[in-house]
Amino acid sequence: EAGVAQSPRYKIIEKRQSVAFWCNPISGHATLYWYQQILGQGPKLLIQFQNNGVVDDSQLPKDRFSAERLKGVDSTLKIQPAKLEDSAVYLCASSSNRNTGELFFGEGSRLTVL
Amino acid sequence: AQRVTQPEKLLSVFKGAPVELKCNYSYSGSPELFWYVQYSRQRLQLLLRHISRESIKGFTADLNKGETSFHLKKPFAQEEDSAMYYCALADSGGGADGLTFGKGTHLIIQP
Repeated sequence: EAGVAQSPRYKIIEKRQSVAFWCNPISGHATLYWYQQILGQGPKLLIQFQNNGVVDDSQLPKDRFSAERLKGVDSTLKIQPAKLEDSAVYLCASSSNRNTGELFFGEGSRLTVL
Repeated sequence: AQRVTQPEKLLSVFKGAPVELKCNYSYSGSPELFWYVQYSRQRLQLLLRHISRESIKGFTADLNKGETSFHLKKPFAQEEDSAMYYCALADSGGGADGLTFGKGTHLIIQP
């Protein structure tokens, strides 16, 4: 089966600019996650969707970050305006309804903010 | 709030030697613990989960609630075990919801 797809793989922007990342989960996976991984750290959950509804966005900096999953399939994560500290890899993951505890991760989108 | 601590950023052992990657957690409820692995140029993927009580690629991990630990062990390391290893804790309700990850341990197996 096809894995979680993410784009772009790499993005370089200047601070105060905006950026958007796209994720297409594994077909049939109802739960979608966005994680932020800063260099030298583990992944940190930003937002979790169940179908097109938000389950948890407690760690999402809502003044600059937004995410949507309008049709319950693919998702977009936006940052506007970007700050230097947003430089990180943004990982998308999905899991099935079986709730086995296994997340399937994409390759990630690496953001550099100058 | 839950927290996962992996005290070693880097662990280097020789091929054939035993390996133990440490993981301690802080959680008020009943935890679900996982080990995830990222090999070079590959995606982050699940290695094992404590509820399955299984051995994957020779690795095992036992949940010790008294010591709040979930250390990953392998009796004889192989070169292909070199990777980043992350311990993760599931939020209340079990399953994969709201995984909290540790900072990771870079395991290097020397020939």
